[in-house]
Amino acid sequence: DGGITQSPKYLFRKEGQNVTLSCEQNLNHDAMYWYRQDPGQGLRLIYYSQIVNDFQKGDIAEGYSVSREKKESFPLTVTSAQKNPTAFYLCASSVGDTQYFGPGTRLTVL
Amino acid sequence: EDQVTQSPEALRLQEGESSSLNCSYTVSGLRGLFWYRQDPGKGPEFLFTLYSAGEEKEKERLKATLTKKESFLHITAPKPEDSATYLCAVQAPEAGTALIFGKGTTLSVSS
Repeated sequence: DGGITQSPKYLFRKEGQNVTLSCEQNLNHDAMYWYRQDPGQGLRLIYYSQIVNDFQKGDIAEGYSVSREKKESFPLTVTSAQKNPTAFYLCASSVGDTQYFGPGTRLTVL
Repeated sequence: EDQVTQSPEALRLQEGESSSLNCSYTVSGLRGLFWYRQDPGKGPEFLFTLYSAGEEKEKERLKATLTKKESFLHITAPKPEDSATYLCAVQAPEAGTALIFGKGTTLSVSS
């Protein structure tokens, strides 16, 4: 089955910890994206990558980091510098203009 | 600043009661307008892309239309399984291929 997978589905972080969210796609899409979703707000762009070994900051990149070493993978690290990381994180990939989303990871800070 | 505004925030319908959701946008040089459906706790599911004023797309009970300033998602004779949050997003030249999302309209259809 072709698709986008995100893991884990639920993640708990203690104060001061870095955590990494996984995003993998087997759709052969060049571009990949990370969005954050908070209750009552629209999805906000964190980072995006249009090609391997290249990525750009989105609107809310502070406290986050990414890498794009393989076409299939675009992991997101939430660092201790992100002061309010509790949210639903969504990864997407695109062919042409259309973005397709993964199932999401819900991160909670304890 | 580019903005996407969706209304209403929430909509309750009886099964079979048709209605429309609105998405208004202020974007210089719209490249595309997208509609997604999102169920609770899940990722958005792609529905439609519209590129130019006057364009229409249909899928089952849903029909999306586009003007120069807004888009409508018409729901004809909805069923309870149409209950979800519907998200509108636009693609603007300065954002590359990324999308700018509205806050969504949560639709509840009761039988």
